[in-house]
Amino acid sequence: QVHLVESGGGVVQPGRSLRLSCAASGFTFSTYGIHWVRQAPGKGLEWVAVIWYDGSNIYYADSVRGRFTISRDNPRYTLYLQMNSLRAEDTAVYYCARASSPTTVTRGGMDVWGPGTTVTVSS
Amino acid sequence: SYVLTQPPSVSVAPGQTARMTCGESNIGSKSVQWYQQKPGQAPMLVVSDNSDRPSGIPERFSGSNSGNTATLTISRVEAGDEADYYCQVWDTSSDFALFGGGTKLTVL
Repeated sequence: QVHLVESGGGVVQPGRSLRLSCAASGFTFSTYGIHWVRQAPGKGLEWVAVIWYDGSNIYYADSVRGRFTISRDNPRYTLYLQMNSLRAEDTAVYYCARASSPTTVTRGGMDVWGPGTTVTVSS
Repeated sequence: SYVLTQPPSVSVAPGQTARMTCGESNIGSKSVQWYQQKPGQAPMLVVSDNSDRPSGIPERFSGSNSGNTATLTISRVEAGDEADYYCQVWDTSSDFALFGGGTKLTVL
């Protein structure tokens, strides 16, 4: 079965850093782009970042560009999100989600989602 | 900037048809996805590329996209369809994914 599982969430003070991980299984990780999507409490979905299957292209939402870094380790079947200079408005459930089409992220959406990991930024 | 507009709520009686819209100028030129999210759960893809259903999604779910409006239609609505529904596109001009604000479907 195809699975994504996030980890690394927690409570962190404003200005500090946190690294999220997303462990994949059940599919050939190196052939799919992967997104990070977040959801603040009681709010809608907000796309955060995406990395191409081979890491060749990376894009960020304006709200996190310059503070967050997405990366992947294909042999380890793991995706990462390094979050620096965290703000209260970064408080959310963070999901990793697989692009539904191999080798592209621009069509087909996100077909596999993890259960999410919660990040709380508070002093 | 690109904004996807969804009505905040839609209500429908069981057995009836629910239609939820996603609006933006010339959205008909883009590939639109729809996601269902129930409380406490991760989103689930129910329609991709405007009208394709992923494996396991009932035929009651269908999508269309033309002009300035994309539509998710759920026929023969059941109590279990009650959820938040989000539309999503990839903006090729700016290289980012965009979600609509979501529509809460209430089954009366």
